[in-house]
Amino acid sequence: EPEVTQTPSHQVTQMGQEVILRCVPISNHLYFYWYRQILGQKVEFLVSFYNNEISEKSEIFDDQFSVERPDGSNFTLKIRSTKLEDSAMYFCASRAGASFYEQYFGPGTRLTVT
Amino acid sequence: AQSVTQLGSHVSVSEGALVLLRCNYSSSVPPYLFWYVQYPNQGLQLLLKYTSAATLVKGINGFEAEFKKSETSFHLTKPSAHMRDAAEYFCAVSDDGGFKTIFGAGTRLFVKA
Repeated sequence: EPEVTQTPSHQVTQMGQEVILRCVPISNHLYFYWYRQILGQKVEFLVSFYNNEISEKSEIFDDQFSVERPDGSNFTLKIRSTKLEDSAMYFCASRAGASFYEQYFGPGTRLTVT
Repeated sequence: AQSVTQLGSHVSVSEGALVLLRCNYSSSVPPYLFWYVQYPNQGLQLLLKYTSAATLVKGINGFEAEFKKSETSFHLTKPSAHMRDAAEYFCAVSDDGGFKTIFGAGTRLFVKA
């Protein structure tokens, strides 16, 4: 069964460093998303991406964040200068198309900023 | 703006008992509603979805939910709890374009033997 994959599973970085979180969505899916979940808290929407551009973003997704689909398979989230409060689990999700509303989530990348 | 409220951060039931997890939503447009389950140290798995078809929606693992527009509710139920149902459950609402999904705070379900 196709699934969303994410790498790495755990990333440790120092404050101020840049990180790139990688996701491989399900093949042929058209919509892509990033969410984060701070430990013990709810899942928060960050950004959605369709047709090679951002469709929607939350107030969390400020200028420190960017997304890219550099090729036909990868979808990345970059944090330019990490802060302690960026420590969280980051989930990627993909969705097949306009008529299919369910999103399929990856296993997540745990980001720890020290 | 859309929002989701899950009543009860923790729910505890005995094995074999009814499971009821409450979710109320707010949406200015016809909503698309979802329930996801998260097992420890894992990602989110879709349990079921409501997308304006039947108001009673059946999902995986014996769960179902009923959309009640008059009550703006989408409560999740299961007739008989099993130990493997112990997990965190999230209700979510999406706009009609599906570009933004808002999650509730989650309800942790405990199942006692």
